[in-house]
Amino acid sequence: DAKTTQPTSMDCAEGRAANLPCNHSTISGNEYVYWYRQIHSQGPQYIIHGLKNNETNEMASLIITEDRKSSTLILPHATLRDTAVYYCIVRVAGSGGSNYKLTFGKGTLLTVNP
Amino acid sequence: DVKVTQSSRYLVKRTGEKVFLECVQDMDHENMFWYRQDPGLGLRLIYFSYDVKMKEKGDIPEGYSVSREKKERFSLILESASTNQTSMYLCASSLIRAYTFGSGTRLTVV
Repeated sequence: DAKTTQPTSMDCAEGRAANLPCNHSTISGNEYVYWYRQIHSQGPQYIIHGLKNNETNEMASLIITEDRKSSTLILPHATLRDTAVYYCIVRVAGSGGSNYKLTFGKGTLLTVNP
Repeated sequence: DVKVTQSSRYLVKRTGEKVFLECVQDMDHENMFWYRQDPGLGLRLIYFSYDVKMKEKGDIPEGYSVSREKKERFSLILESASTNQTSMYLCASSLIRAYTFGSGTRLTVV
């Protein structure tokens, strides 16, 4: 699986948009970009994933550059409850055993300030 | 919503004990995973299973074994617990894409 690079930490003001970047310059054509977050003392939570098109759901938006070498997770109106470690992961699509493994990096600690 | 339930939130065991960590999911998922999480090291995959009775080693399988006799249940076994296995253990399940994680078991080996 391709490696990802994320900033160690970021701050955001409550009510503002939080834009979390991720570089994945070695991503392959069949690899998806996934985002998870982990609030303190809880298990990670799935947020969103995409292949090449931008995606939006009730939690966030995912913007993937045209060359797919980087992406941005956008939380449109951050709240204090969004304070968490955010993980960007790339993983090959497809069926079969080890294709379903997720490898977590260190992630970005997003702190939302009042 | 998929629910992944880990049997204990906190567990204290003695060195040398055999320890069972249980994980149950209620959505008929094929794939189940065990991770451990330690400060500064992040989440590391111990074992995973993509079908009943099937298992594969993850990145750090040493000192652990697993059992998957039924689709909904995936057990992590510490054959002889050691202090370096003190950690937060997280179970997850998935069908194809997204994982659902349990709340974790914080294991302390004394």
